[in-house]
Order: sequence, then C-alpha cells, then structure tokens
Amino acid sequence: KAGVTQTPRYLIKTRGQQVTLSCSPISGHRSVSWYQQTPGQGLQFLFEYFSETQRNKGNFPGRFSGRQFSNSRSEMNVSTLELGDSALYLCASSLETLMGDTQYFGPGTRLTVL
Amino acid sequence: GDSVTQMEGPVTLSEEAFLTINCTYTATGYPSLFWYVQYPGEGLQLLLKATKADDKGSNKGFEATYRKETTSFHLEKGSVQVSDSAVYFCALTDGSGGSYIPTFGRGTSLIVHP
Repeated sequence: KAGVTQTPRYLIKTRGQQVTLSCSPISGHRSVSWYQQTPGQGLQFLFEYFSETQRNKGNFPGRFSGRQFSNSRSEMNVSTLELGDSALYLCASSLETLMGDTQYFGPGTRLTVL
Repeated sequence: GDSVTQMEGPVTLSEEAFLTINCTYTATGYPSLFWYVQYPGEGLQLLLKATKADDKGSNKGFEATYRKETTSFHLEKGSVQVSDSAVYFCALTDGSGGSYIPTFGRGTSLIVHP
C-alpha cells in the first residue's frame, strides 16, 4: 500500500505571498491532519479533516486554512506568508480517528519564507 | 491545556547500552499515549502506543508503560543499535471536551556510537 505523499517537497516563497500544500493519504484513510514542525516550537497540530469537514483545530491564526476533497486528499493554504512560517509541514492520515487509530506521516513539505 | 515534557537531548550512547527517555504529561481527560520516531529527512513513524493505564506498548525492542499514577510514559530499550539514532517524540491525544488535539513533546535526539 502506498504511503502518505506530500507535494511539493520543497518550496521557497517571499513574505506576503500565499502557498498551497497538497497531501494524498493512504488509500482508505478518511482522516487527514496537518502539523507544523519548527526548531523553536517543535511539532504543533494545525487541524484535522474528516469527510471533507474540519473536525479538530489547533491554535493557529486564520491565515492557515485547509480543505479536504471527496477522495480524502487534502490541501493546506497559508496566506500572507511571514518569516516565522518557515517550517516543515507534515501531513498524517489515519483510518477514522486521532485517538485510537495509528497516524501515518508523510515526508513533509519544507517551506522557506524569504 | 495538555502538555508533554520529555528529556532534552541529545542522548549519546554506545551500541548495546540501555536506553531510557523520560516522558511525563498533563492532560485534562484520559489520553492515549504514543512514541514516534523521526529519522533524518523523513516524517514521523509510530513506534508504539498505549491507550489505557498499565498498558505496555512495545515494538522493535522498545517498550513503554502507561503509568497514570505518575503521568509518565518512559521509553526504554535494553540494547540500542547505531540504526536507532533518530529523534524520538512522546505524544498524547486527549479527547476531553469533544476535541481531539494531538500534543507532542519537543523531541529527544538519540545518537548511538559503534
């Protein structure tokens, strides 16, 4: 079974721009979560989508948004980029839930904001 | 809010040494507990998990026991290998209040020398 895939793997943007990251979950997985990983803040939960609806949300500003399509693929958008948004963005998928089901992580998208 | 505290690294060991990485947590509800491992340039992989008190998760020689009375989930391995060199994350998912927000520790880097 193919793992979680994320595209692109690397991105360089400038302040004020916006960016869209894509995640394809493992086939059959309906829950997709997004995380931001930085040296300063560690790994932080952004949000989770299930059946095309945002089901759980972390403590990030509204510049961070996402969506999920009917095939469970998900996109994450960051608008008005700031230098502090430079990070590794990880996507994870699971069968149904965040509690009992195992999350499978993708390799991440490395975003650099200049 | 919920939090996970794990020992700061790096932890440097010789091959075949005994490993302990401490992890303690605070949670509002009754969380599920996880250990993830991240190898260089890769996303996180679930190493083991435990969903209720006194459960022992184990995988690849690693084990951790859910200790509710001490709110701890320490990771241990009897004999480490060079290939175990990676960053280890302790995490919890707490479903109190109807929201499921995964919370991660800052990660502990393990370096194993031959």
